[in-house]
Amino acid sequence: DVQLTQSPSFLSAYVGDRVAITCRASQGIRSYLAWYQQRPGKAPKLLIYNAATLQSGVPSRFSGSGSGTEFTLTISSLQPEDFATYYCQQIDSPNTFGQGTKLEI
Amino acid sequence: EVQLVQSGPEVKKPGESLRLSCKASGYRFATYWIGWVRQMPGKGLEWMGVIYPGDSDTRYSPSFEGQVSISADKSITTVFLQWSSLKASDTAIYYCARQNIEGPTWGAFDIWGQGTLVTVSS
Repeated sequence: DVQLTQSPSFLSAYVGDRVAITCRASQGIRSYLAWYQQRPGKAPKLLIYNAATLQSGVPSRFSGSGSGTEFTLTISSLQPEDFATYYCQQIDSPNTFGQGTKLEI
Repeated sequence: EVQLVQSGPEVKKPGESLRLSCKASGYRFATYWIGWVRQMPGKGLEWMGVIYPGDSDTRYSPSFEGQVSISADKSITTVFLQWSSLKASDTAIYYCARQNIEGPTWGAFDIWGQGTLVTVSS
């Protein structure tokens, strides 16, 4: 199975900062990667799919890049509502999630 | 509106059986994969498996194969997650989610249910 490793696991930042979260796959997955945001007590929300395609309705400050084994989620200017936990997911059989990155103030 | 509505919270004892439901509406139920995701208390997301309601093709994570059963009833546009014998370690929130690509192709989960909390305790 493909394993996903996110880094960092915890990230402290301020409103207005630019931040990046990395997701590394144990083997190549082309562009079959998605990113999710989960706020406390809520279901996850799809942000990015196919590594770089922004889901409809997601603000443009979110962007994704990468292919093969290394992927990045970038938030260009943090807003208060962005402080949450972020997960990557590889879309292959069987799917797996990364362990999560908690973004906090 | 496309939505998934899950059944309510459950409190069970070890060894009991359980079936969770996920009612889909607002789209062609048979042509999108729907999956289940586990989140144990304070932990991350775990992909359990998916089903394609059109032909009931089902895929499981190796971690969950044989531990749970996923099924679908097209007549009531509902997907189920079932246990025959619960363990305390099954305590978690369970989400159902729909993949974002129509047809038998893998995709990301774009629509999520609200989650169902399952508590297993003696």
